[in-house]
Amino acid sequence: NAGVTQTPKFQVLKTGQSMTLQCAQDMNHEYMSWYRQDPGMGLRLIHYSVGAGITDQGEVPNGYNVSRSTTEDFPLRLLSAAPSQTSVYFCASSVTGGFRGGYTFGSGTRLTVV
Amino acid sequence: GQQLNQSPQSMFIQEGEDVSMNCTSSSIFNTWLWYKQDPGEGPVLLIALYKAGELTSNGRLTAQFGITRKDSFLNISASIPSDVGIYFCAGQAGGTSYGKLTFGQGTILTVHP
Repeated sequence: NAGVTQTPKFQVLKTGQSMTLQCAQDMNHEYMSWYRQDPGMGLRLIHYSVGAGITDQGEVPNGYNVSRSTTEDFPLRLLSAAPSQTSVYFCASSVTGGFRGGYTFGSGTRLTVV
Repeated sequence: GQQLNQSPQSMFIQEGEDVSMNCTSSSIFNTWLWYKQDPGEGPVLLIALYKAGELTSNGRLTAQFGITRKDSFLNISASIPSDVGIYFCAGQAGGTSYGKLTFGQGTILTVHP
């Protein structure tokens, strides 16, 4: 049981490049979310999903796309990277969406946009 | 959107001391969660609270769900060096916000041996 797996762990992009951050969970959790963490600002919700085929925007969705074709995977796409997207990105999953159990987080992807 | 104010921002304490931190919200939450983050890792759930007034313990950690549903408190007793890290509160409102967590800014805890 690997929990929540994020790849890559580190990435450097040039401004304007696109890429996909991968997230997979093996706990059969319905709820999955993407957060970004910036110094002094806690974690901010980018996009989330309450099940396969269902996604919705969080607090800071601009510049990011998501899709949820399977229960296990929830990739995050950066369409055209900007320096403001330099951050640490966390994927999380939950069986109940935070009620009765909370979210399990991956170990993060550290992204630098130059 | 919803805002969570977490305080203090940082704490420097001696091993063996007790620690208190809190979060306040401008709006009501149905669930309060407390997480700890070690360097280079994702947050790990410490305590979850589900109803107003609830007091829950996990070893040396005790957390409370405020009766107004707009605040929560975390206490750590008899701190040890491995308590070092960043502590986050997170709240979840109901209705259309179900499944979406709002996080506080974090409390950085340093424990001196």
